[in-house]
Amino acid sequence: ETGVTQSPTHLIKTRGQQVTLRCSSQSGHNTVSWYQQALGQGPQFIFQYYREEENGRGNFPPRFSGLQFPNYSSELNVNALELDDSALYLCASSFSGELFFGEGSRLTVL
Amino acid sequence: GQNIDQPTEMTATEGAIVQINCTYQTSGFNGLFWYQQHAGEAPTFLSYNVLDGLEEKGRFSSFLSRSKGYSYLLLKELQMKDSASYLCAVREGTGFQKLVFGTGTRLLVSP
Repeated sequence: ETGVTQSPTHLIKTRGQQVTLRCSSQSGHNTVSWYQQALGQGPQFIFQYYREEENGRGNFPPRFSGLQFPNYSSELNVNALELDDSALYLCASSFSGELFFGEGSRLTVL
Repeated sequence: GQNIDQPTEMTATEGAIVQINCTYQTSGFNGLFWYQQHAGEAPTFLSYNVLDGLEEKGRFSSFLSRSKGYSYLLLKELQMKDSASYLCAVREGTGFQKLVFGTGTRLLVSP
């Protein structure tokens, strides 16, 4: 039990659509980050939020955006979905230097 | 930037010991993580090394040498449930949570 929960666990979208993925972490974990994991690859850093502000971003286009809320929940939004966006999306939060992942949201784009 | 290298696949038998190596090149280093990931599931935290030396947690141990850019994960008394991918990840100094992952080592434990 990592204290990081994500929803939905699975979803299917079509190319061009938009998707919102949600994450809830433990109270006091004021930094949250999102990762994309394609099949057979390691997770890739998308961005992180600290106190509701984005303060670090990986090599992802602007159609990947996020929000963090005061209640330690956060969202990942992806616009204009492409087939290559099919992946497992992981939310992570940190405590004492250790980074814990939620169970992930598996997105399939058709 | 970062470059993380680890073997693609390894096999071992139940009850044995296996060592999974990871080498990295980095422009900034702030810790190395090992995660276990079963197929279709999220990564599970195993260990975190920021200083040189060995960290032991039950059947799992992790070693770090910062001067050599090298780490290993040691799994003892292997069990069938240890069949999984093992991910090595390095945290960059400038990003509190930004981890750069290798592609993972798929370990198959046979009876």
